[in-house]
Amino acid sequence: TQLLEQSPQFLSIQEGENLTVYCNSSSVFSSLQWYRQEPGEGPVLLVTVVTGGEVKKLKRLTFQFGDARKDSSLHITAAQTGDTGLYLCAGDLLRDGGGADGLTFGKGTHLIIQP
Amino acid sequence: DVKVTQSSRYLVKRTGEKVFLECVQDMDHENMFWYRQDPGLGLRLIYFSYDVKMKEKGDIPEGYSVSREKKERFSLILESASTNQTSMYLCASTPLRQGHQPQHFGDGTRLSIL
Repeated sequence: TQLLEQSPQFLSIQEGENLTVYCNSSSVFSSLQWYRQEPGEGPVLLVTVVTGGEVKKLKRLTFQFGDARKDSSLHITAAQTGDTGLYLCAGDLLRDGGGADGLTFGKGTHLIIQP
Repeated sequence: DVKVTQSSRYLVKRTGEKVFLECVQDMDHENMFWYRQDPGLGLRLIYFSYDVKMKEKGDIPEGYSVSREKKERFSLILESASTNQTSMYLCASTPLRQGHQPQHFGDGTRLSIL
């Protein structure tokens, strides 16, 4: 069972276009994180959202956490070739006893921005 | 900046061998994690540790064990490597035993079992 469904799995668009990546679950998360991974490297954190309904902006990237803390989206405005990469959402499920017991990751979105 | 270092970027081993993957972090983080990353499956948690000599099973611990003798070092052990353990292995660390902490990843070890 995939706790975090990420869509689309692959996306190829032209430079300058806008796009949205979705991360959905039937589970409630205490927080949700978005990472970006480039070939040959480990994932790097972009943002953490904690509060239901929260919106965070990172230059041309806008992240939103759903009101019920079950879903999140990443919107990129005017995509650039440097945005190319694998985008991963990851949720922090509070397991028994709480604590940082590892994240639950979505399968990722492979994003290609063509010049 | 936090530095998580995995000892090998690429590793090729044979079926049945005992394989050690090493991970070291330099920021005194309490929590350390081992994931494997496979196409179409994403990252899956194998084992994690929140203190020296402590270990907890993740979602797919079968065929693996771990060792944490020192706070900065977390080793993943494939007791008897099999071809289905060919994968990218990622180590990560976080400070303290609380939620909302970002995971700091190493650059991964691409392991091939022949």
